[in-house]
Amino acid sequence: QQQVKQSPQSLIVQKGGIPIINCAYENTAFDYFPWYQQFPGKGPALLIAIRPDVSEKKEGRFTISFNKSAKQFSLHIMDSQPGDSATYFCAASTRDSNYQLIWGAGTKLIIKP
Amino acid sequence: ETGVTQSPTHLIKTRGQQVTLRCSSQSGHNTVSWYQQALGQGPQFIFQYYREEENGRGNFPPRFSGLQFPNYSSELNVNALELDDSALYLCASSLVSGGEAFFGQGTRLTVV
Repeated sequence: QQQVKQSPQSLIVQKGGIPIINCAYENTAFDYFPWYQQFPGKGPALLIAIRPDVSEKKEGRFTISFNKSAKQFSLHIMDSQPGDSATYFCAASTRDSNYQLIWGAGTKLIIKP
Repeated sequence: ETGVTQSPTHLIKTRGQQVTLRCSSQSGHNTVSWYQQALGQGPQFIFQYYREEENGRGNFPPRFSGLQFPNYSSELNVNALELDDSALYLCASSLVSGGEAFFGQGTRLTVV
C-alpha cells in the first residue's frame, strides 16, 4: 500500500512534443505529491509538487494533473526540449510520516531534436 | 543550486570497512533526510533527523546510523560495508512542517 507505481519506464518524444508520465498510488493518506528531475550523476531536483485539494498545477512548461478518485497523478511537459532529457521521478508522502518520500521507479525521458 | 552540499562526491571502500558521509543542509532548514539510490532505481528512504534526533527510519539495518548537529548538518555512518551498499547516497534538507525537500548532488559509494 506504500508503493507508488510509475509508467512508462522510458519514453522518447520529438522536440516540441508533450511527454506524459503517469503515477498511481494506493495509500489514501498521501497528501503531498512532488515530481523530481534527475540528470546522470546528479541529485534529484524538485520540479513541481501538488496537494490533493487541487486537480491541476502549472509551473512554466510543467503541469501536474491530479485525479484523487482514481488515485493517479501525471506530469506533462509542454514544448519539450532536448535539455529536458533526464530521468523523472514521482513521489508521495504524508504529513504523519514527516514527509518521508515514497518514490516511483523513474521514467527515462529522451527528447529527440 | 539547492544549497545542500554533500561530501565526498565519490568514495571507494572495501567490504567490511566503515564509512562516514556528510551533508550540510540548506540555510533555514531544520530537517535532514538520507536516501539510498541503487543504479537505475528510485531512492529509498534510510532515516530522517530533526533537532538532532532520529525522526523516522526506513527498512535499513542498524549498521546504518546517523547524526545531526546543532547547525542542522548531518552524517550518515555505515558499518560493516557490504557489496550491496554500493549506491548513490542522497541527503535532502527540508522544514519539518513542510513537504518540499531539496537534495544535494549525492555521494557515490562503491564497495569492492
